[in-house]
Amino acid sequence: GQNIDQPTEMTATEGAIVQINCTYQTSGFNGLFWYQQHAGEAPTFLSYNVLDGLEEKGRFSSFLSRSKGYSYLLLKELQMKDSASYLCAVPTTSGTYKYIFGTGTRLKVLA
Amino acid sequence: DSGVTQTPKHLITATGQRVTLRCSPRSGDLSVYWYQQSLDQGLQFLIQYYNGEERAKGNILERFSAQQFPDLHSELNLSSLELGDSALYFCASSVGASGTYEQYFGPGTRLTVT
Repeated sequence: GQNIDQPTEMTATEGAIVQINCTYQTSGFNGLFWYQQHAGEAPTFLSYNVLDGLEEKGRFSSFLSRSKGYSYLLLKELQMKDSASYLCAVPTTSGTYKYIFGTGTRLKVLA
Repeated sequence: DSGVTQTPKHLITATGQRVTLRCSPRSGDLSVYWYQQSLDQGLQFLIQYYNGEERAKGNILERFSAQQFPDLHSELNLSSLELGDSALYFCASSVGASGTYEQYFGPGTRLTVT
């Protein structure tokens, strides 16, 4: 089957580093996306990984291991505004479901 | 501002009714996607159109239908509404048809069915 798993909630302190994990099972892998979604707002694109390894973009980095079906989003120097849900998403090329989103990890950043 | 617009922002209607949600993609984007987000189910992919043609279909109910017009705007029609259809409906757009393009999401339409 096709499935994405993420932790439901995480809590971290302002200024700290947090790692949000995502494991997936899909067919026809075409890369993995991370989106950020503040409560009641639209998701916004953070990163896209199609090859194994780490992609760094400012305070945010994303890692992918295709052989393990695993990705993580690393947030450094946490700020209060980083309190949001982080969605892992995988586009697939077969089956009824074209785009699969995880249920999201709700991150709370505490002062 | 993503450049994707959705109307209306809020919609309250009764069970059994029919509603139409409208989406205009970013300038230059040919793909439009529709998603449903409810509290207990996360973001569910409904359907994708590319340049006027249906491209991919997700878990869309038969009571729901969509289309993309020549000017690339799209409409999602929801009929015989049930209480469980209450959700936030997002439209997104991207440049290409494949899954490798980032999607830009509109602000959403919050549908409440009473």
